[in-house]
Amino acid sequence: SQKIEQNSEALNIQEGKTATLTCNYTNYSPAYLQWYRQDPGRGPVFLLLIRENEKEKRKERLKVTFDTTLKQSLFHITASQPADSATYLCALVKASGGSYIPTFGRGTSLIVHP
Amino acid sequence: DGGITQSPKYLFRKEGQNVTLSCEQNLNHDAMYWYRQDPGQGLRLIYYSQIVNDFQKGDIAEGYSVSREKKESFPLTVTSAQKNPTAFYLCASSTSAGQAYNSPLHFGNGTRLTVT
Repeated sequence: SQKIEQNSEALNIQEGKTATLTCNYTNYSPAYLQWYRQDPGRGPVFLLLIRENEKEKRKERLKVTFDTTLKQSLFHITASQPADSATYLCALVKASGGSYIPTFGRGTSLIVHP
Repeated sequence: DGGITQSPKYLFRKEGQNVTLSCEQNLNHDAMYWYRQDPGQGLRLIYYSQIVNDFQKGDIAEGYSVSREKKESFPLTVTSAQKNPTAFYLCASSTSAGQAYNSPLHFGNGTRLTVT
């Protein structure tokens, strides 16, 4: 069966360090992979998207990599700040009957300590 | 400001009652979605709609119904047939379900439904 795995344990890091979150998947051939941020009690907010033929994408302090051989995406936040504390969700997007519907992992909680 | 409005934020119902969750968007998006989120679980797709008057079942549609009579609105009814209705419900929209590269999801801030 298709699975998307994100570390269920919270990631605790010190302010200023780089946070690295992992998204692994099995039995999938996604066309795209998206990353979202979710704060408690609120809806997810889109951050970055990467296509299957792209190795890396950057946006300000964020970087996403996508390795279709390893079936893995890494999400990096450099120079992390306490305001980056949130849950980060990865979503795999594949074609299904003419539609592209994201399927989400359960998310990893990031806690940045001052 | 453009966005998605879900109301109410908290909803309480007795077991056996149907309840309708509201979702309105003014982003002029064609596609709309309903997801359910439970603690420790990823978002699970309930229903989605690519255009007005059309909708498709997602992975967990049993016990739910939707309508899409207007582009701006995609209400979700949680029926008494849904075995475990207590959850956080998220509505989302995108410009088009057929153009994923340009169509990340925009989410509302959810409705937390509690059924006792």
